[in-house]
Formats: sequence, C-alpha cells, structure tokens
Amino acid sequence: NAGVTQTPKFQVLKTGQSMTLQCAQDMNHEYMSWYRQDPGMGLRLIHYSVGAGITDQGEVPNGYNVSRSTTEDFPLRLLSAAPSQTSVYFCASSSVGGRQYFGPGTRLTVL
Amino acid sequence: KQEVTQIPAALSVPEGENLVLNCSFTDSAIYNLQWFRQDPGKGLTSLLLIQSSQREQTSGRLNASLDKSSGRSTLYIAASQPGDSATYLCAVEQGGSEKLVFGKGTKLTVNP
Repeated sequence: NAGVTQTPKFQVLKTGQSMTLQCAQDMNHEYMSWYRQDPGMGLRLIHYSVGAGITDQGEVPNGYNVSRSTTEDFPLRLLSAAPSQTSVYFCASSSVGGRQYFGPGTRLTVL
Repeated sequence: KQEVTQIPAALSVPEGENLVLNCSFTDSAIYNLQWFRQDPGKGLTSLLLIQSSQREQTSGRLNASLDKSSGRSTLYIAASQPGDSATYLCAVEQGGSEKLVFGKGTKLTVNP
C-alpha cells in the first residue's frame, strides 16, 4: 500500500493564482481531511469528508474548496491564493474510529 | 470549544532516561485520543490510539494513559534513544466526528 499520497511536495504561487493540491489514499478509508500547519498555531482542520459525495467545513475553511467524487481522492482547491495561505498542508484518512494516516505534506508559499 | 494543551513545549534529555509528555484537554466528551510523532519536514505518524473507554495503550517502549474525567493523557517513553528525537503531538476526536483537535506539540531532543 502507498498509504496517503500528496502532490506536489512544494509549490510557489503568486497572489491571486489558483491551484489544486492532490490527495489520494489506497486503504479504502471512508474519512478524509485536510489540515494546515502553521508555526505557533498547530494543525487546524480545513475541510473533511465522511464519504464520496459528502464534504463539510472544518475550523478554517475560507478560501478553500473541496469535492469528493471517489473514495480514493480528495483534492483541495485554492480559489485565489493569498499570502495568509502560506503554510504546510496535510491530507489524512482513516476508517471510522481508527487511526488517522497522514500524507507527507505540501509546502505552499504564496508571494 | 475543545482546547488541547501540551506541556512542556520542548524537552531535552540524556539518552537512556525515562520521560513523560503531558497532554490536557478542556472537554472530557471525547471519542478517542491519539499520540502522533512528527519528524522535521515530514508528515505525522500515529503512535497510539486510546479509545474513550480505555485507560492505556502500549506499543514497545511507549505507553499512553488516558484519564477522561480529569482531561489528561500522558505519553511515557522508556529508555529514550536519540532516534526518539521528534515532535510529539496529542490530538482528541470529539464524539465520533473523526475531526481531530491538536495540541501544539512537545519537541523532544534525546542527547547521546
């Protein structure tokens, strides 16, 4: 199993650009989520999904969009990048009540 | 709103020492608690998962305890090694929501 994979590993954007962070898992997990990690702030939940076709907002959803058309994939879209979205982004997945498995992260810089 | 606190923020110990990392949470209505390890520039690795009905979990040299009523968990690391150096994060899940609330972590350095 590859586990949870994320692409790209690094990305630099200019303010106002849009992009999609990719996340995929091969463990047939129902639950997937996106977190951002910032110095001094810890990890904060952006969006999550409890199954294909079902998504909901987390603690810091503004400026981000998600969809879940398959069990395996959960992309995160930045609609119009802002410097405040400079962060490290982690995708995670789990079965119900199980351990959460995290991807290696995407380091995003917005200039 | 659930808040998770980890003390200390950083800890430096000599190799071989037994140590305890602390985690406290404000709302005792949790579904489970997880301890994670994060190495610099890497993702998180789940170390131990304690369900709300359990008191402790063990994996090798690691032992995690949970006291829901007092809102506390501890991670005990026996016979620490330089390879244990990393940031350790505690996270709680509310009521089966699968959503985790994280503490800010304890950065552990084990000196040879």
